[in-house]
Amino acid sequence: DIQMTQSPASLSASLEEIVTITCQASQDIGNWLSWYQQKPGKSPQLLIYGATSLADGVPSRFSGSRSGTQYSLKISRLQVEDIGIYYCLQAYSAPDTFGAGTKLELK
Amino acid sequence: EVQLVESGGGLVQPGRSLKLSCAASGFTFSNYGMAWVCQAPTKGLEWVASISTGGGNTYYRDSVKGRFTISRDNAKNTLYLQMDSLRSEDTATYYCARRDGYYHYFDYWGQGVMVTVSS
Repeated sequence: DIQMTQSPASLSASLEEIVTITCQASQDIGNWLSWYQQKPGKSPQLLIYGATSLADGVPSRFSGSRSGTQYSLKISRLQVEDIGIYYCLQAYSAPDTFGAGTKLELK
Repeated sequence: EVQLVESGGGLVQPGRSLKLSCAASGFTFSNYGMAWVCQAPTKGLEWVASISTGGGNTYYRDSVKGRFTISRDNAKNTLYLQMDSLRSEDTATYYCARRDGYYHYFDYWGQGVMVTVSS
């Protein structure tokens, strides 16, 4: 199975700060990487697909990038509504595997 | 508007069965692969099973192979998860999700349904 190592596990940041979350794939997964945000008590929501494409309705302060087998989610200017848990997902080969999650809090 | 509405969850004893349903609307259901994703209390997300557009291809995580069956009825726009021989470790919120056909990301999710396996 492909392992997705997500870091950091938790992150405390200030409003307007730049935030970066990374996922390291254990093998090549191409662009079969997506990012999700989950707020407390809610379903996950798609942010980024194809490693770098912004999902419909997602603010442009979110962006995704790829360098080899390392993938990053960047929030350019943190807003209060961005608080939650973020997950990456690889769907290159079954079983699909999620990262362990990054809990983002306000400092 | 795309909507996915799960039902069928509840409290069940170990070894018993439960069948989850996911009613889809707002899109052509038969054009999309679908999946179930679960989340144990206070834990992260785990993919459970996926099914192709016509239902002919199904995929499962190892821990549920032989116990869970994913299926769909395209005439009823409904996805199912038959859960047999339930174990305490199956306790989780189960989400149905629509799956993109190329990059296989999940672009729409249901609200989730809780399954509790306990005696």
